[in-house]
Amino acid sequence: DAKTTQPPSMDCAEGRAANLPCNHSTISGNEYVYWYRQIHSQGPQYIIHGLKNNETNEMASLIITEDRKSSTLILPHATLRDTAVYYCIVKTGANSKLTFGKGITLSVRP
Amino acid sequence: GAVVSQHPSWVICKSGTSVKIECRSLDFQATTMFWYRQFPKQSLMLMATSNEGSKATYEQGVEKDKFLINHASLTLSTLTVTSAHPEDSSFYICSASLGSPGYTFGSGTRLTVV
Repeated sequence: DAKTTQPPSMDCAEGRAANLPCNHSTISGNEYVYWYRQIHSQGPQYIIHGLKNNETNEMASLIITEDRKSSTLILPHATLRDTAVYYCIVKTGANSKLTFGKGITLSVRP
Repeated sequence: GAVVSQHPSWVICKSGTSVKIECRSLDFQATTMFWYRQFPKQSLMLMATSNEGSKATYEQGVEKDKFLINHASLTLSTLTVTSAHPEDSSFYICSASLGSPGYTFGSGTRLTVV
């Protein structure tokens, strides 16, 4: 599976949009982009995934560039409870294994 | 939604003893489950892929005789840490796939070996 690169950390103000970038320049045509987050001392939580079209659900939006070499996870109105480590992962298939990188630590400040 | 229940949530054991961790899919059948280990301030590291009715597939560097995985039914996978040592102290997490959209993770087990 393709490797991803994320900044180590970022912060944003509560109520503002949080835009979390991810580079995956070696992604192949059949690989999806997945985002998970892990709140301290809990199991990871699925957020969203996409192949090439932008996606939106109740939690977030995923913007994938046309060349698919990078993507941005958008939390439209960040809350303190969104403070977590966010992982961007690219992988093929529904049952293939998830390999976690270091992720990005998002800190939402009051 | 899909729920994965992991038990126990924390355990303390003496060095040299074995500890079993259970991972159950509560409202779906999981032919494949995954086991991860996470040390403080580090990312999750995949240990093994557990397949119902067959042997688990271990990642490179993970001792299969030390970390025994059994996936005897479509709703239960277990990880047994045998002859535990203090360096095995970690946060162990399981996950299962419903196919789509993503994987569901258990809440994790904090193992402390004293």
